[in-house]
Amino acid sequence: EAGVAQSPRYKIIEKRQSVAFWCNPISGHATLYWYQQILGQGPKLLIQFQNNGVVDDSQLPKDRFSAERLKGVDSTLKIQPAKLEDSAVYLCASSSGLAGPGETQYFGPGTRLLVL
Amino acid sequence: GENVEQHPSTLSVQEGDSAVIKCTYSDSASNYFPWYKQELGKRPQLIIDIRSNVGEKKDQRIAVTLNKTAKHFSLHITETQPEDSAVYFCAASGTGGGNKLTFGTGTQLKVEL
Repeated sequence: EAGVAQSPRYKIIEKRQSVAFWCNPISGHATLYWYQQILGQGPKLLIQFQNNGVVDDSQLPKDRFSAERLKGVDSTLKIQPAKLEDSAVYLCASSSGLAGPGETQYFGPGTRLLVL
Repeated sequence: GENVEQHPSTLSVQEGDSAVIKCTYSDSASNYFPWYKQELGKRPQLIIDIRSNVGEKKDQRIAVTLNKTAKHFSLHITETQPEDSAVYFCAASGTGGGNKLTFGTGTQLKVEL
């Protein structure tokens, strides 16, 4: 079974530029998550999708971050404009969406973003 | 919202010794507690998890204990090996907000030869 795929793996941009990340979850997984992991910290949930609907985006900085999962499969996360403090690893995870609370989340390799 | 605290932030043990990492959580409604291992530059990988209806779970050299009354849970690694060196994260998930995981700040475990 293929795992969660993410691209690009690395991105360097200047502040105020825009950037987009892509995620392809495990086949058949209905639930998709985007996490932000700042160096030395645990991952922090930005947004959770169930199919193409948003379940939780309470920690997403909506003035600059946006995410979509139009067809309920792939997802993109965008930052516009980027700030220095957005430098982090952006992790995508997926879970089956069938077991309810407490189902295992599988993580992708992440996209490492550096904002200069 | 949920708050998870994790200690210690760094832990150094000799090969063959045991390692214990502790976490506390704030939301008494949380009912799922996974532990992830993250090697440098790699993705977090689930190593063990426990649900609130169980007090202890073991998988070979790894065990997790949960004390719901005190709202804390611990990871125990016995007979540590150099390949156990990594950052370990605890997390908690409740019944509200979907399947949202709140992570601890991580423990850098170093197993020395």
